[in-house]
Order: sequence, then structure tokens, then C-alpha cells
Amino acid sequence: EVQLVESGGALVQPGGSLRLSCEASGFSFSSYWMSWVRQGPGKGLEWVANIKQHGIEKNYVDSVRGRFTISRDNAKNSLYLEMSSLRAEDTAVYYCARDWYGAFDMWGQGTMVTVSS
Amino acid sequence: EIVLTQSPGTLSLSPGERATLSCRASESVSSSYLAWYQQKPGQTPRLLMYGASNRATGIPDRFSGSGSGTDFTLTISRLEPEDFVVYYCQQYNTSPWTFGQGTKVEIK
Repeated sequence: EVQLVESGGALVQPGGSLRLSCEASGFSFSSYWMSWVRQGPGKGLEWVANIKQHGIEKNYVDSVRGRFTISRDNAKNSLYLEMSSLRAEDTAVYYCARDWYGAFDMWGQGTMVTVSS
Repeated sequence: EIVLTQSPGTLSLSPGERATLSCRASESVSSSYLAWYQQKPGQTPRLLMYGASNRATGIPDRFSGSGSGTDFTLTISRLEPEDFVVYYCQQYNTSPWTFGQGTKVEIK
């Protein structure tokens, strides 16, 4: 079965850190760009970051650049998002998505990150 | 960054009617790099259209997309009960990829 499964979401205090993971199965993970997309409570979608097939090229939205780091391990079919200096506005469901030339053709079920004291 | 503005915010229609959703970009977007998504309550988004007018795998032909430059349209020819949900456009012409704020299609 083709799927993406995220994990690692939690309640964290402002200024804290968290690592999200996404495990892919059912397709050739190493052949695709991958992205993280988030959705705040009751809000729309926001692209966060993406990473090229071999992990060299990475892009970030301005609001997370310098605080978040996207990475991947193709041997483990896994995508990661290291988040630090977390803010209340980072509270969201974080989705792992297969980035097919920029369109997201496959999504995980999401993992919830809540930043609150 | 390219700002996408969707209109209307909410569209009230009846089953069987035609829905026309608009997505306007703050600067020109190559039609090859405009996508539409559908999101049902409590579910993950689903890719409907890519390249402005190409249906994704498994998407019924009552969904169609058109447009170029700064103006794009998603049309649902005959609304089915399961179509009354939220739709987002997204551009992947220029990083950062950006989404519109969404259009909710509700039953009138």
C-alpha cells in the first residue's frame, strides 16, 4: 500500500524543540522531492519546506528558515523535520507530502504540534 | 512571494448545480504550475488538478480546471453531495509554494 505515516507531534513549550518523522512505503521514496505542509487550527494550508531526492537541495518558507531543518534518509524511506525555537504560531497539523514537481500528490494523515505554556 | 486569492470565500449551491471557483494570483503563474486540492472535514487534502487543467488520478470528470497568467478557475459541472467541502488552489511556479485561503462550497 502506498502511504505516508507521520509521527512525533506533541505539546511543547514556546522556545522548545521537536523532531517530526514521516515513513514512506509503497513507492520509490528516493525518486521524489518531499515536503512538509502545515495547517493551523481552523486555518488554511501552508507549505513549510521541501527537499530534493538526494537531500542536497532544500527550501524553506521565510517564517521557519533558520529554525526548522528538513532532512531525509533514503535507506530508511524516511523524512524528518527538526523544529527549534518553536512559537505559538507554529501550532498546526504537520503533513508529510510527496512533492511531484511542486504539486502534492500524496499526503500523510498528519501529526499535531501544539506550542503552548 | 506569490499571493493567491480565492473567491468567493463561501459558495452556496444546491446538488446538481454548477460550481465555479476562482483563484487569482498576485503575479503571473505558468499554467503548468497551478494545482487544486479538495479537503473534506477531518481528512487530509487530496490533489484534484495539476498543471491548471489536468485531473489527478481517480478524479471524476465533473471536475475541470482552466486559466492562465493570474486567473484560474475550478469548475464542478454537477455538484454531488460529497463535493460540499473546501477547495484550495496552490502555485508551484515560484518558491515559496503558496496556497489560496480556500473556498467552502456549502449546501444552499
